[in-house]
Amino acid sequence: KAGVTQTPRYLIKTRGQQVTLSCSPISGHRSVSWYQQTPGQGLQFLFEYFSETQRNKGNFPGRFSGRQFSNSRSEMNVSTLELGDSALYLCASSPAGGGNTGELFFGEGSRLTVL
Amino acid sequence: AQSVAQPEDQVNVAEGNPLTVKCTYSVSGNPYLFWYVQYPNRGLQFLLKYITGDNLVKGSYGFEAEFNKSQTSFHLKKPSALVSDSALYFCAVRAKGRGKFQFGAGTQVVVTP
Repeated sequence: KAGVTQTPRYLIKTRGQQVTLSCSPISGHRSVSWYQQTPGQGLQFLFEYFSETQRNKGNFPGRFSGRQFSNSRSEMNVSTLELGDSALYLCASSPAGGGNTGELFFGEGSRLTVL
Repeated sequence: AQSVAQPEDQVNVAEGNPLTVKCTYSVSGNPYLFWYVQYPNRGLQFLLKYITGDNLVKGSYGFEAEFNKSQTSFHLKKPSALVSDSALYFCAVRAKGRGKFQFGAGTQVVVTP
């Protein structure tokens, strides 16, 4: 069974640009979550999608957005990039929705560098 | 609100010695607790979880963790550390039912030969 796939793995952007990151969850998983990881802030929750609906949202500005498609694949977008957006962006999937006791399955991440 | 504390930024241990990584949590109701490991420039890998039942949970790569409700702790342990265990370890909690995962700040484990 294929794991969580994130693309691209590495990318470099300049301030003011926008970026879209993609995540394909494990087959059959309907929940997808996104996290930002930086050395100073650790793992910060961005948002969670389940069945194409945003179910939870972290404390990030509106420049950060996401969506989920009918096949459970998800994308996140960051507009008007700032230097502080440089981070490892991690996607995680899990099998089910509410009441789920299962663990999250993480992708390898997308390393974004903003110059 | 839920929270997780990993009081040690780094744990240093010699190969062959016991390894303990500490985690305490705060959550309303019954907690679901998890440990993950992260190697450089990689995603997080699941090690083990506590949902209910036996307080001692065994996981991957010889790791285990003990759930202590009275102390609200879920410490990760390994009887004999390997150099390859050197990595960043995260504890996470999720309240029973719906809700997002809350991760600790992470503990860097360094195992020296």
